[in-house]
Amino acid sequence: NAGVTQTPKFQVLKTGQSMTLQCAQDMNHEYMSWYRQDPGMGLRLIHYSVGAGITDQGEVPNGYNVSRSTTEDFPLRLLSAAPSQTSVYFCASSGGSNTIYFGEGSWLTVV
Amino acid sequence: KNEVEQSPQNLTAQEGEFITINCSYSVGISALHWLQQHPGGGIVSLFMLSSGKKKHGRLIATINIQEKHSSLHITASHPRDSAVYICAVDRFRDNQFYFGTGTSLTVIP
Repeated sequence: NAGVTQTPKFQVLKTGQSMTLQCAQDMNHEYMSWYRQDPGMGLRLIHYSVGAGITDQGEVPNGYNVSRSTTEDFPLRLLSAAPSQTSVYFCASSGGSNTIYFGEGSWLTVV
Repeated sequence: KNEVEQSPQNLTAQEGEFITINCSYSVGISALHWLQQHPGGGIVSLFMLSSGKKKHGRLIATINIQEKHSSLHITASHPRDSAVYICAVDRFRDNQFYFGTGTSLTVIP
């Protein structure tokens, strides 16, 4: 079972560059979300989606865009990377059982 | 103010010791989750609790809804248990979670 697949694992960006973190799940989960994890802080919600075509902002949405064209995919876009976006990013999905499944994480450095 | 507080932040134990990690929360919840994160790795779900107690191998999780408190116990700890343990609460069964900052556990052989 693939579960939640998240790419890339590591990325270095220059300030101002854009990129997309990919996330796909094969469990037919309606709910998908993106978190960032910073030292000394809990996981913080960036954006989430409760189904295809529906997205909403979380706690720290500024500088990030998402879309949900299919149930399986939930990409996170950084439009103009800033050093403050250096972090570890996790995609997650959950379904009716409310068990959370996380991707392996993406380590992003913005220089 | 964080809705979910964990203690301790860091914990070092000798192999074989009994370990307890605590989680307190300040909001009403429908379920509480314990997660494990290994260094450089992803996050996996260990338990989901809405009441009482669950056991899986050497891991035991308990929750007291009235006191808004949960504990994760590890019996006969082993170096492979070294990880960050994260408590998360689900308020309305709507898949929106609030996370603690994690407890970093190191088990020394």
